[in-house]
Amino acid sequence: AQTVTQSQPEMSVQEAETVTLSCTYDTSENNYYLFWYKQPPSRQMILVIRQEAYKQQNATENRFSVNFQKAAKSFSLKISDSQLGDTAMYFCAFGTQGGSEKLVFGKGTKLTVNP
Amino acid sequence: DVKVTQSSRYLVKRTGEKVFLECVQDMDHENMFWYRQDPGLGLRLIYFSYDVKMKEKGDIPEGYSVSREKKERFSLILESASTNQTSMYLCATIAGGARVSYNEQFFGPGTRLTVL
Repeated sequence: AQTVTQSQPEMSVQEAETVTLSCTYDTSENNYYLFWYKQPPSRQMILVIRQEAYKQQNATENRFSVNFQKAAKSFSLKISDSQLGDTAMYFCAFGTQGGSEKLVFGKGTKLTVNP
Repeated sequence: DVKVTQSSRYLVKRTGEKVFLECVQDMDHENMFWYRQDPGLGLRLIYFSYDVKMKEKGDIPEGYSVSREKKERFSLILESASTNQTSMYLCATIAGGARVSYNEQFFGPGTRLTVL
């Protein structure tokens, strides 16, 4: 069974600085997908960024980028130029290709961006 | 824009009551999910449905059942609510297709259920 581990329950960063959230996973699959979802306080969960395991190039979405290390089974999220609106719970998630629609989520990292 | 709505934002029920949580989506997505979110435990899948009247158990189905009579609506039922079911419940939906698990999951706003 796949597992997803987020080792940082809480983090904080100053506005305009860069922060990296860690995620590791365990799987015997070779083809899979990885995601970062964001849940702002009292708001709906939304997708931040996703990565296909067969792609070596790290995904980037504006200020958000990932560092995908397949051999190390690591999928960290880097947020550049942090903004107050980035304050949220961040969940790393894993999905398998060609199989179930289910995702396995980590326990989350609570990120606070301080002014 | 995909819209996923849940019947209640906050709900307070008594132990032993039968509780219905409803989720409605307007994007004709095949797959719908019910998660439970607890601090320090993340999201755990209770049940999911990949078509009308089709359902599969997730990781923590005990004490819950589901119903999907129409494509747009997925209901979570607590047959006899207990205090350990006090939690945030999230509904999500995802489009089908060849790479379904790569598709974005769209979440509802959540229902915070308190069982007294």
